[in-house]
Amino acid sequence: SQELEQSPQSLIVQEGKNLTINCTSSKTLYGLYWYKQKYGEGLIFLMMLQKGGEEKSHEKITAKLDEKKQQSSLHITASQPSHAGIYLCGADASGTYKYIFGTGTRLKVLA
Amino acid sequence: DTAVSQTPKYLVTQMGNDKSIKCEQNLGHDTMYWYKQDSKKFLKIMFSYNNKELIINETVPNRFSPKSPDKAHLNLHINSLELGDSAVYFCASSRSASGNEKLFFGSGTQLSVL
Repeated sequence: SQELEQSPQSLIVQEGKNLTINCTSSKTLYGLYWYKQKYGEGLIFLMMLQKGGEEKSHEKITAKLDEKKQQSSLHITASQPSHAGIYLCGADASGTYKYIFGTGTRLKVLA
Repeated sequence: DTAVSQTPKYLVTQMGNDKSIKCEQNLGHDTMYWYKQDSKKFLKIMFSYNNKELIINETVPNRFSPKSPDKAHLNLHINSLELGDSAVYFCASSRSASGNEKLFFGSGTQLSVL
């Protein structure tokens, strides 16, 4: 079965610093999604990547999908306390319509 | 208006009880899901319904029974609750079951079994 592994598991950074979160799939991805979960709340969609080499940005967050479509990274530039939360990557597991999620990365940004 | 709403937000109950969690979406989506998030924040799919029909049923104890009276609702009934059922349960929906759709999540139901 397909699995999504995220690294690091947790991250504490000083406000203003850049950071990167990685998501690695055990199989080729048909589509890769990034979500953010604020503590005690549901997940909010951030970005979707479908093509190998694709890169998308929204405000200070940039997500990339590698050419082989097995790894994605989420980069935050000049982090702010509002970026704190749990970041999860998600994907359709090998085209099975089963939407799986990565192991999650907890981000804390110190003011 | 909340797109995906689930109730209750908190549920505290004794072992052995039966409880239900309700979920409704007003997005006109065809597909709805139930996910379980454990204490380590790992999110695991439990069930998925497409137009009221069950399409995904993971290895979930048969004490858990989803019911979809119409495509806007997907409720989760749990019989004979056990300590290990304590978790946060999330309902979600998507436009279709194609796998290339983003999910919209409810705010979660924190279930505590004592």
